[in-house]
Amino acid sequence: AQTVTQSQPEMSVQEAETVTLSCTYDTSESDYYLFWYKQPPSRQMILVIRQEAYKQQNATENRFSVNFQKAAKSFSLKISDSQLGDAAMYFCAYNAGNNRKLIWGLGTSLAVNP
Amino acid sequence: GAVVSQHPSWVICKSGTSVKIECRSLDFQATTMFWYRQFPKQSLMLMATSNEGSKATYEQGVEKDKFLINHASLTLSTLTVTSAHPEDSSFYICSARGPSGRDTGELFFGEGSRLTVL
Repeated sequence: AQTVTQSQPEMSVQEAETVTLSCTYDTSESDYYLFWYKQPPSRQMILVIRQEAYKQQNATENRFSVNFQKAAKSFSLKISDSQLGDAAMYFCAYNAGNNRKLIWGLGTSLAVNP
Repeated sequence: GAVVSQHPSWVICKSGTSVKIECRSLDFQATTMFWYRQFPKQSLMLMATSNEGSKATYEQGVEKDKFLINHASLTLSTLTVTSAHPEDSSFYICSARGPSGRDTGELFFGEGSRLTVL
């Protein structure tokens, strides 16, 4: 069965610094998709970044980038130049496509200190 | 594009009454929508998959008679919590696969609905 593990329940970072959130997953599929979602205090889930497993290049979205290690089944999220608005719960999620449902990690609560 | 709207965002009801939550895809057609429940500081728990024009598929342990799901159109799915009890109090979130989500699994989320049962 596919699983997603986020081993850091809580993290903190100083404003303007860089933080990395870890995520590992387990699957026997070769083609799949990985996501990082952000849930701020407003509770609305927002997609941060998406990675297709067949792409070797790591996805980036402005200050957000991933380190995708397919062989190690690792998918970490790096937030550069952290801002106060980055404070939120971050969820890692996996999907094998073909209309299957998302598999979610337990989340990492990120605090940004001014 | 791919905006999902959920209503109401906050509802309080008396024990024993029923509450309906609506989930609409505003700028795309969503053949599949998902209903989640989230407890404080926890991850999302999938309750059911809502398919337009057919019966919803419920996850193990979710009472289908208690959590009625109707997906009557390509832009609207509803979740009705019947005979609500205080233990049903929670945050309910709907989501839909966007236009590209059929292959990638990417979901777009509503704002969520906070249900409090007195």
